[in-house]
Amino acid sequence: DAMVIQNPRYQVTQFGKPVTLSCSQTLNHNVMYWYQQKSSQAPKLLFHYYDKDFNNEADTPDNFQSRRPNTSFCFLDIRSPGLGDAAMYLCATSRKGGQPQHFGDGTRLSIL
Amino acid sequence: AQTVTQSQPEMSVQEAETVTLSCTYDTSESDYYLFWYKQPPSRQMILVIRQEAYKQQNATENRFSVNFQKAAKSFSLKISDSQLGDAAMYFCAYRRGADNYGQNFVFGPGTRLSVLP
Repeated sequence: DAMVIQNPRYQVTQFGKPVTLSCSQTLNHNVMYWYQQKSSQAPKLLFHYYDKDFNNEADTPDNFQSRRPNTSFCFLDIRSPGLGDAAMYLCATSRKGGQPQHFGDGTRLSIL
Repeated sequence: AQTVTQSQPEMSVQEAETVTLSCTYDTSESDYYLFWYKQPPSRQMILVIRQEAYKQQNATENRFSVNFQKAAKSFSLKISDSQLGDAAMYFCAYRRGADNYGQNFVFGPGTRLSVLP
């Protein structure tokens, strides 16, 4: 089945140690998104790619970056994680236009 | 900027009964899309139903239907014959229609639905 796959499901890192989360898709969708979701809250959009065009939300912290080397893969890099960055990180994809998003299972990030 | 409001942080319903989750939004756009997503505990967020703003007819998907009131900017979700598997966090979401304005979805804060046996 076509899907959005996030690896790993659980990630533990140390305070200040860089970490990379990955997302891949077999849907061939134009748009890929990264969201941060804290407990019982709505997902908060960090950034998205429309094909190769990168769009950063104004309030996304500077230590969050993203790469999309090809249509299928997208990475979230957190350069110097702080305790406040512990959260679930959701990757989603969509076609352009008013099509719905398809979400991965998420990566739960813990900071020690 | 667009905003989405869900005024009910928590709701509960008896199994087999009907429940309605409310959502209001604020936009100056005329072309947009509205969605309800379901996120069960520790599980993937999945699409429940989608509504195009230019369509007057309310969307329906099996036991799920919406009451879309464009003038009132209201988009409620009705779940009929509630089942235990419907227990989840429900998010209302808005997306602007025009491609060249970006692809952002705006999510409401969510409503946690409990289904009582």
